[in-house]
Amino acid sequence: EPEVTQTPSHQVTQMGQEVILRCVPISNHLYFYWYRQILGQKVEFLVSFYNNEISEKSEIFDDQFSVERPDGSNFTLKIRSTKLEDSAMYFCASSRGEADTQYFGPGTRLTVL
Amino acid sequence: AQSVTQPDIHITVSEGASLELRCNYSYGATPYLFWYVQSPGQGLQLLLKYFSGDTLVQGIKGFEAEFKRSQSSFNLRKPSVHWSDAAEYFCAVGAAITGGGNKLTFGTGTQLKVEL
Repeated sequence: EPEVTQTPSHQVTQMGQEVILRCVPISNHLYFYWYRQILGQKVEFLVSFYNNEISEKSEIFDDQFSVERPDGSNFTLKIRSTKLEDSAMYFCASSRGEADTQYFGPGTRLTVL
Repeated sequence: AQSVTQPDIHITVSEGASLELRCNYSYGATPYLFWYVQSPGQGLQLLLKYFSGDTLVQGIKGFEAEFKRSQSSFNLRKPSVHWSDAAEYFCAVGAAITGGGNKLTFGTGTQLKVEL
């Protein structure tokens, strides 16, 4: 069964450094998402991406964040200058159709020191 | 804006007992509703979903949920819990995005403990 994959599983970085979190969505999916979950809190929507552009972003997704689909298979989330409060589990998700089920990857745990 | 409330933070049940996890949502239109399960260190796995039609939906692992519009609820049930069901359960509501896609809003989750 196809699945969403994410790398790395755990990333440790220093405050102010740039990080890139990588995701490979399911191959025939058209809609791509990033969510995050701060330890002990709920899963929060960050951004959705469709047709090579952002379709919606949350207020969390400020100028420090960007997303890209550099080729036909990868979907990346970049944080330009990490802050302590960016420490969280980041989940990538994809869906085939607009209202279809979103399939989630296993997550990348980001720790900012 | 949509929201989801899961009033029970922790629930403990005995193996073999029945289970009901509560979920209430707020959304202006007909909602898309989901239950996901998260085991420690794992991602989110879809248990079941409601888009339209029959208000009682069946999911994986013997779970079911009933959509009740009048109560704005989508409670998850299982007639007999297994020890492997111990996990965190998230209810979510989906809202269409103008530019394409569907934004999920999650509840705070219910941590299920199963006593042997």
